[in-house]
Amino acid sequence: NAGVTQTPKFRVLKTGQSMTLLCAQDMNHEYMYWYRQDPGMGLRLIHYSVGEGTTAKGEVPDGYNVSRLKKQNFLLGLESAAPSQTSVYFCASSFGNEQFFGPGTRLTVL
Amino acid sequence: SQELEQSPQSLIVQEGKNLTINCTSSKTLYGLYWYKQKYGEGLIFLMMLQKGGEEKSHEKITAKLDEKKQQSSLHITASQPSHAGIYLCGADSLTDKLSFGAGTTVTVRA
Repeated sequence: NAGVTQTPKFRVLKTGQSMTLLCAQDMNHEYMYWYRQDPGMGLRLIHYSVGEGTTAKGEVPDGYNVSRLKKQNFLLGLESAAPSQTSVYFCASSFGNEQFFGPGTRLTVL
Repeated sequence: SQELEQSPQSLIVQEGKNLTINCTSSKTLYGLYWYKQKYGEGLIFLMMLQKGGEEKSHEKITAKLDEKKQQSSLHITASQPSHAGIYLCGADSLTDKLSFGAGTTVTVRA
């Protein structure tokens, strides 16, 4: 099993550009999550999904959109990137309480 | 939301010495998770605690949850360079989400 994978691993955007981060899991987990990690602030939940076709807002959802069209994929979109969205983004999935994390995507917005 | 405070924010320990990280919650913890993160990588699950007074060990790492279920500690005995990284605690608030502390950066000096 590959577990949780994220693409891309690195990306540099200019302010105003858009992009989509892809998260894929092969563990048949119902729940999937998108976090951002910033220095001194730990992990903050952006959006999450409790199953295919569902999404919900987390702690810091503004400026992001998500979609869960297939159970194994959870997409995070930035419609108009801002420098404040420079961060490391982690995807996670879970069946019970334990969350399994992807390796992260390092995004820089200039 | 459940707020978690980790201390210390960072620490440097001599190889072979012990270290302790604390995680304190503003609310009762229904589940407390410890994760480790190496620089530039995703989070690796270490342990989960649920019962007051519970203690779990894996190799040289011991995690405890106090009787009141509001504080947890992670203790590493005879630290090694492989123990270096960021340690994060996560709390289960009986929703579909986890809340995370800001993390503790551990540096092990040879």
